[in-house]
Amino acid sequence: KAGVTQTPRYLIKTRGQQVTLSCSPISGHRSVSWYQQTPGQGLQFLFEYFSETQRNKGNFPGRFSGRQFSNSRSEMNVSTLELGDSALYLCASSFSGSGGDTQYFGPGTRLTVL
Amino acid sequence: KQEVTQIPAALSVPEGENLVLNCSFTDSAIYNLQWFRQDPGKGLTSLLLIQSSQREQTSGRLNASLDKSSGRSTLYIAASQPGDSATYLCACVSGGYNKLIFGAGTRLAVHP
Repeated sequence: KAGVTQTPRYLIKTRGQQVTLSCSPISGHRSVSWYQQTPGQGLQFLFEYFSETQRNKGNFPGRFSGRQFSNSRSEMNVSTLELGDSALYLCASSFSGSGGDTQYFGPGTRLTVL
Repeated sequence: KQEVTQIPAALSVPEGENLVLNCSFTDSAIYNLQWFRQDPGKGLTSLLLIQSSQREQTSGRLNASLDKSSGRSTLYIAASQPGDSATYLCACVSGGYNKLIFGAGTRLAVHP
């Protein structure tokens, strides 16, 4: 079975631009979560989608948004980029939304904001 | 608010040593606890998942224990190898659904 895939792997943007990141979960998984990883703050939860519905959201500004499609693929969008948005963005998928399953992570998208 | 702490922050050991990584959490109401490994610049690799009703899980040279009452988990690595060098992260599902709360990690270096 193919693992979680994320595209693109690397992105360079300038302040004020917007960006869209994509995540394809493991086949059959319906839950997709997004995390931001920075050296200063570590790994922080952004949001989680299950069957196209956002069920949980972390403490991030409204510039961070996401969605999930009927095939469970998910996208994350960041508008009006700031320098502090430079980070590794990771997505994770799991089979069910119960909280009891192993979560599998993708390789991440490295976003650099200049 | 759930907080996860990992001690030590960094560890350097010679090859062959058995070692213990510690993880503590402030709220015992967790669904599960998961240990991950992260190599520099890479994503996370799941190592072990312990459900809230379980006490331990084993996979190869790895053994993870969970004590909810004391808010602690330990990851035991037997006979460490240079290939074990990585950052080890623990995280618990707390506060609903699949929201993982992560510790800051333990950076492990195993030298030949």
